[in-house]
This record gives sequence, structure tokens and C-alpha cells, in this order.
Amino acid sequence: DTGVSQDPRHKITKRGQNVTFRCDPISEHNRLYWYRQTLGQGPEFLTYFQNEAQLEKSRLLSDRFSAERPKGSFSTLEIQRTEQGDSAMYLCASSPFGTLGPGELFFGEGSRLTVL
Amino acid sequence: AQTVTQSQPEMSVQEAETVTLSCTYDTSESDYYLFWYKQPPSRQMILVIRQEAYKQQNATENRFSVNFQKAAKSFSLKISDSQLGDAAMYFCAYRSVGGANSKLTFGKGITLSVRP
Repeated sequence: DTGVSQDPRHKITKRGQNVTFRCDPISEHNRLYWYRQTLGQGPEFLTYFQNEAQLEKSRLLSDRFSAERPKGSFSTLEIQRTEQGDSAMYLCASSPFGTLGPGELFFGEGSRLTVL
Repeated sequence: AQTVTQSQPEMSVQEAETVTLSCTYDTSESDYYLFWYKQPPSRQMILVIRQEAYKQQNATENRFSVNFQKAAKSFSLKISDSQLGDAAMYFCAYRSVGGANSKLTFGKGITLSVRP
């Protein structure tokens, strides 16, 4: 394991369906982040975990979005009743807790969601 | 809230030449971290260079260097001896100091193309 992995890489769904994305961070990293990126834009913060605790949620994260990290390892991001506006790349990143100085975030390749 | 602005959506540079990518940010904090991330097409985002705001010396990583102007809240990236592999989207990002605020705030990005 050399990096952050995300699954699936691409998901096509119909409006109204539920989708779930999984992220496996780098094994020794305590912090895990979810970002959303639309075409030609920078990533927007959604939420982050320190171990299993969800420490911050963006106002972008509507009630249809839920994220979990039950054992402090992998995380899931679920979107219920998808809308066309949910179409985006969902990025996961991890970092080690307690890093002194400007700790780097390590990103996965992302999960692209297309809502028809 | 902090904001990061990248006003140039696209730039182009001749191979082996030098290019500078601009970034400005807004914050009321006195200490923070700044980053440039690179996102090649269909690949994950990777860190290019980082700067701690309390350090006056500009960071340098091989062909990449920054011009950090704290008073002007400016953080530009200079790429020397541009290579074809430098073609990518580049994102400027801000991060607060302190464990509770560890998320990155990104700019919209700039697409850099390198002409052979």
C-alpha cells in the first residue's frame, strides 16, 4: 500500500438513486478528508475525520450526504437521492496527525460521479 | 473565512522557459501555511511546494520556487526550465495553523500548458 485508494473510480447513476464511495487512506494516517471538485474548479472541502471522529462538516454537505469512518481506517461517503448537481469528482485525502509544521495532504485519484 | 484567488484560468509556456503562476489570499490570521498542488490530467493531486507564513525565506524545491509576499498576501509559483511533464492544473491552497483547523482551502486553479 503506497497511497490513498478510492472506489469506485467512476459511478454513473440515475437521479434519485443512492451512491456510496469508499476511501482507504494511507495506513498510518489518522486524518481523512473528503473534497468535491467540479470541472475546472478547485476542490471544495466537505468533511474530515480524526480517527473515527468527524470533526468538521462543511455547509456544502447537505442532509443527503453522510460520511463515516467507523473504525478509524477506511471511510465511506454516501449520497442519498442523488441530484444532477451532485455530479462531480469526490476526492479523498489523508494526513498523519501530529505532524509538526505544514503537513501534506495525500490525495487519492478520486471517484467521479455522473448523475443522469 | 479564508479565501484563495487564482485569477488566471490558463497559462502557456515554452519548454525550457520560466513561468510564474499567481495566487492571492485573504486572511485575518498571522500564521498559516500556503501550498501549491499539481493535478495532472486524470491523476491524483500532489504537493509541489509549501511555505510557512512565519518564515521570510521563500521556499524552493528544485525547479520550483515561490515568491511569498506576506503584506500583500501574495504567493506566486515560479517554474524554471519548464518540462512537458509540468503540464497540469495547479492549485494554490491555504491552511490554518492549529489542529482544529486542518483543512485546505483551495483556489480555482490554473491550467498550465507546455509547448514543445
